[in-house]
Amino acid sequence: GENVEQHPSTLSVQEGDSAVIKCTYSDSASNYFPWYKQELGKRPQLIIDIRSNVGEKKDQRIAVTLNKTAKHFSLHITETQPEDSAVYFCAATGNTGNQFYFGTGTSLTVIP
Amino acid sequence: DADVTQTPRNRITKTGKRIMLECSQTKGHDRMYWYRQDPGLGLRLIYYSFDVKDINKGEISDGYSVSRQAQAKFSLSLESAIPNQTALYFCATSDYGHQPQHFGDGTRLSIL
Repeated sequence: GENVEQHPSTLSVQEGDSAVIKCTYSDSASNYFPWYKQELGKRPQLIIDIRSNVGEKKDQRIAVTLNKTAKHFSLHITETQPEDSAVYFCAATGNTGNQFYFGTGTSLTVIP
Repeated sequence: DADVTQTPRNRITKTGKRIMLECSQTKGHDRMYWYRQDPGLGLRLIYYSFDVKDINKGEISDGYSVSRQAQAKFSLSLESAIPNQTALYFCATSDYGHQPQHFGDGTRLSIL
């Protein structure tokens, strides 16, 4: 199966700075990579995703980049705000797409 | 996203008891999943189902069983609960492979 590693496990940034979270995966056949945000006590919610035929995708202050050769993908949050504070999870779908393999999460704190 | 509903939201029970967690969805999705979330370990897949007659084990199925009673309902059972099954449990749905998963609000289960 797929193995997804996520770093760092915790990240603190000043409000307005950028935050970057990185994930690596093992199965070169994975072709869908979602990112989820989980606020304290809430459900994980999809914030952005990318497919293997695309190298970068942006949605306002959030972007995801994918390097298929190196088998890693990253979440970039610019102009961070206190409401960005949450746990972020990356995932990959493996070769069949039947399962999501999640990273262990990054706890992001944005300091006002 | 109240389309995926989990009951109960919280449950405290004793070692050895049988427990059932329920999930229902109105999204019309074929695929349903049960995850367990523990601090620092991310989301780990317990079981998943692609239709009423299809049940598949995930990464950590030992000690758990499931039932897909209908397209919209997927239940998770702990036959004889033990304290290390204390965790936050999430149900999720998706339309088909390589597509976003949509999570319920979770069930916080404590086993004493």
